[in-house]
Amino acid sequence: QSALTQPASVSGSPGQSITISCTGTSSDVGGYNYVSWYQQHPGKAPKLMIYDVSNRPSRVSNRFSGSKSGNTASLTISGLQAEDEADYYCTSYTSANTLVFGGGTKLTVL
Amino acid sequence: QVQLVQSGAEVKKPGASVKVSCKASGYTFTTYGISWVRQAPGQGLEWMGWISSYNGNTKFAQSLQGRVTMTTDTSTSTTYMELRSLRSDDTAVYYCGREEAVARGIDYWGQGTLVTVSS
Repeated sequence: QSALTQPASVSGSPGQSITISCTGTSSDVGGYNYVSWYQQHPGKAPKLMIYDVSNRPSRVSNRFSGSKSGNTASLTISGLQAEDEADYYCTSYTSANTLVFGGGTKLTVL
Repeated sequence: QVQLVQSGAEVKKPGASVKVSCKASGYTFTTYGISWVRQAPGQGLEWMGWISSYNGNTKFAQSLQGRVTMTTDTSTSTTYMELRSLRSDDTAVYYCGREEAVARGIDYWGQGTLVTVSS
């Protein structure tokens, strides 16, 4: 199972909005509504930000939102803050009943 | 509060096996499965597999089939991940995480266990 494709890096200024894409195939992202997004700060365990494409755990800020169109899922962060600087990973369920991660995107807050 | 506490760091020689534990507390253990994810130094996250805490059913990443075993002990709310025939590229931080089913979102994570494979 090939990794999902994410941009290596994105950046934005405080207060701006950014979007991170996650592209797969019809056998994973496009075939199921089981896409999740994780935030990981250096040296820390990942944190679940979005599950089932667009659902947000209660302890996650509403500045984070998820969506999907065809084989591409997206994570949007609005009102960027310095604390949002981290690595972000998408995941998807696959037709083999497994899970696949994206390669990760480094978000820099300028 | 939900907590997942993993066993400590390990150093192993190539060809050996390692067994990492993940003890859960703060919730009804059998209502969630446990996923295992690893991260090599400076690299991204890699899914290893998932085990049901209810009936022990498992699902593994194809790349690890035949080398990994996951088991669960409901009496102690502890899940184990064993990786055999270790190679240098198995050096990584290994995480366990609570997940209802495969790909439904890992909502709580362990602190990570560093496994170093070196001769």
